[in-house]
Amino acid sequence: AQRVTQPEKLLSVFKGAPVELKCNYSYSGSPELFWYVQYSRQRLQLLLRHISRESIKGFTADLNKGETSFHLKKPFAQEEDSAMYYCALNTGNQFYFGTGTSLTVIP
Amino acid sequence: EPEVTQTPSHQVTQMGQEVILRCVPISNHLYFYWYRQILGQKVEFLVSFYNNEISEKSEIFDDRFSVERPDGSNFTLKIRSTKLEDSAMYFCASTILGGHQPQHFGDGTRLSIL
Repeated sequence: AQRVTQPEKLLSVFKGAPVELKCNYSYSGSPELFWYVQYSRQRLQLLLRHISRESIKGFTADLNKGETSFHLKKPFAQEEDSAMYYCALNTGNQFYFGTGTSLTVIP
Repeated sequence: EPEVTQTPSHQVTQMGQEVILRCVPISNHLYFYWYRQILGQKVEFLVSFYNNEISEKSEIFDDRFSVERPDGSNFTLKIRSTKLEDSAMYFCASTILGGHQPQHFGDGTRLSIL
């Protein structure tokens, strides 16, 4: 069963425009959700985790249990935000990753 | 900041041969993981390891795969009788505690099976 769904494989926005990367999950327990980012030729890096409710690099993500979503948002995209973004669900022993969304910010 | 390191960065192996991928997790971390990412596809969980035992494994982790922590610092993934479909990027990750802790990833090893 697909645990994490990222419906957009590619997303392009102009610099300064708002951006939203969608993530939906499927899990009957209490979810622990993360966003990871992978810049070109670099490792996967933790961007956000839902329990910390913090803003990193201007990104925020809110867990919506009713909609089983954990969308990543930023009000004003920057060129340096161009990267691959992965939503991940931790069930305790396993991480389930989405297929990723490649974000391109157009100058 | 401490990092997870993986060697080699690229491994080319003939089909049917054995390959060992190496990882050095962050020193005070206790939980270790292997993931793979086939080109163009998502990152997939392979196995988790704690206290010198496999704690969880996916269906991908068949009997050709094994993991080991031979010396207290390295964490290795061995694949025997490699197949063409084993070609992928393999990521090692570690976390200080298990459960719902974020994982720290290495740069990955690109495995190419010819």
